[in-house]
Amino acid sequence: QSALTQPASVSGSPGQSITISCTGTSGDVGDYNYVSWYQHHPGKAPKLMIYDVSKRPSGVSNRFSGSKSANTASLTISGLQAEDEADYYCSSYTSGSTYVFGTGTKVTVL
Amino acid sequence: QVQLVQSGAEVKKPGASVKVSCKASGNTFSGHYMSWVRQAPGQGPEWMGWINPNSGGTNYAQKFQGWVVMTRDTTISTVYMELSRLTSDDTAVYYCALSYAPHTSFDYWGQGTLVIVSS
Repeated sequence: QSALTQPASVSGSPGQSITISCTGTSGDVGDYNYVSWYQHHPGKAPKLMIYDVSKRPSGVSNRFSGSKSANTASLTISGLQAEDEADYYCSSYTSGSTYVFGTGTKVTVL
Repeated sequence: QVQLVQSGAEVKKPGASVKVSCKASGNTFSGHYMSWVRQAPGQGPEWMGWINPNSGGTNYAQKFQGWVVMTRDTTISTVYMELSRLTSDDTAVYYCALSYAPHTSFDYWGQGTLVIVSS
């Protein structure tokens, strides 16, 4: 199972919006609405930000939103804040009854 | 609220085995699935497999079959991940992560356990 493809880095100024892509195949992202996104500050536990493509867990800011088109899922962060600076990973359920993660994106707030 | 607390860092020699524990609190132990995810330095996360703490059933990623064993002790709400025949490539942070079904998101994560394999 190959990792989902994410851009290595994305940056933006405070207040701006950024979008992170997550490209998979018809055997994972394209076939299932079980795509999730995680925020990871180094040294801390990852945090669930989006599940089932576009749903937000309780307590997660509505500045975070998710979507999917064909084999590519996306995470958009609007109104970028300094605290959003972190690594972001997508994950998808797969046809092999397993999970696959993305390569990861480092978000930098300029 | 669920909390997952993992055991401490380990340093192992090549060829050895390591056993990492993950204790759940918050009265959600039996009705969920616990996955193990590892992240090597500079790489993305890698899903290793899950265990159903209630039934003891497991589902391992093909890469880890015959190499990893996941077990649980329901009396103390703890799951374990044992990886054998360690090499330097197994140096990573190992996380336990809880999902409410065997295909859904990882809603809660442990703090991670650093395993270093070095001679």
